[in-house]
Amino acid sequence: DAGVIQSPRHEVTEMGQEVTLRCKPISGHNSLFWYRQTMMRGLELLIYFNNNVPIDDSGMPEDRFSAKMPNASFSTLKIQPSEPRDSAVYFCASSLGLFNTEAFFGQGTRLTVV
Amino acid sequence: AQKITQTQPGMFVQEKEAVTLDCTYDTSDPSYGLFWYKQPSSGEMIFLIYQGSYDQQNATEGRYSLNFQKARKSANLVISASQLGDSAMYFCAMREVPGGTSYGKLTFGQGTILTVHP
Repeated sequence: DAGVIQSPRHEVTEMGQEVTLRCKPISGHNSLFWYRQTMMRGLELLIYFNNNVPIDDSGMPEDRFSAKMPNASFSTLKIQPSEPRDSAVYFCASSLGLFNTEAFFGQGTRLTVV
Repeated sequence: AQKITQTQPGMFVQEKEAVTLDCTYDTSDPSYGLFWYKQPSSGEMIFLIYQGSYDQQNATEGRYSLNFQKARKSANLVISASQLGDSAMYFCAMREVPGGTSYGKLTFGQGTILTVHP
């Protein structure tokens, strides 16, 4: 079974451009998480969904960030407009169940905004 | 408020020795799960071990064991017989089921970098 699939793996974009990160969770998983990892701030939870519904988006840093989950097999994280401080590794993770199961992570998208 | 605290930014251990990585957590909910992940230099996040708040025994997975002290709210990871391949960042995480709307939230600590010396 394929794991969590994220695309692209690497993204380099210019400041001001729109960036869309994509995630395909493991089939059958009903929770999906978006994290951002930087040296300074560690692993931050941006938003998570349960059964395609956003449950908590309090970690989304600004209105420039938005996330959607139109169906159980696809989610996007969009940054518009992007800024250099958005440069980070963005992880998507999915899990089955609410609290007693581990989350499986994708390989991450390394975003560089120049 | 910080939910997960890992007080050791870095740890060193000799190959074949055991090492304990500390993790304390903060929650008022009786139902929660605790997790440890490993992140090698290649960047992927690898699940290691899980402990449920109602589990009577400490979790073990091969060379990994979790020293769960509920009253102290600590969930330390013990790695026995360290190997060079254990050198990585290790994250403690908690998943809560509070009475509010943030059920299932998975929060990570800041991580501990473990270096295994030959």
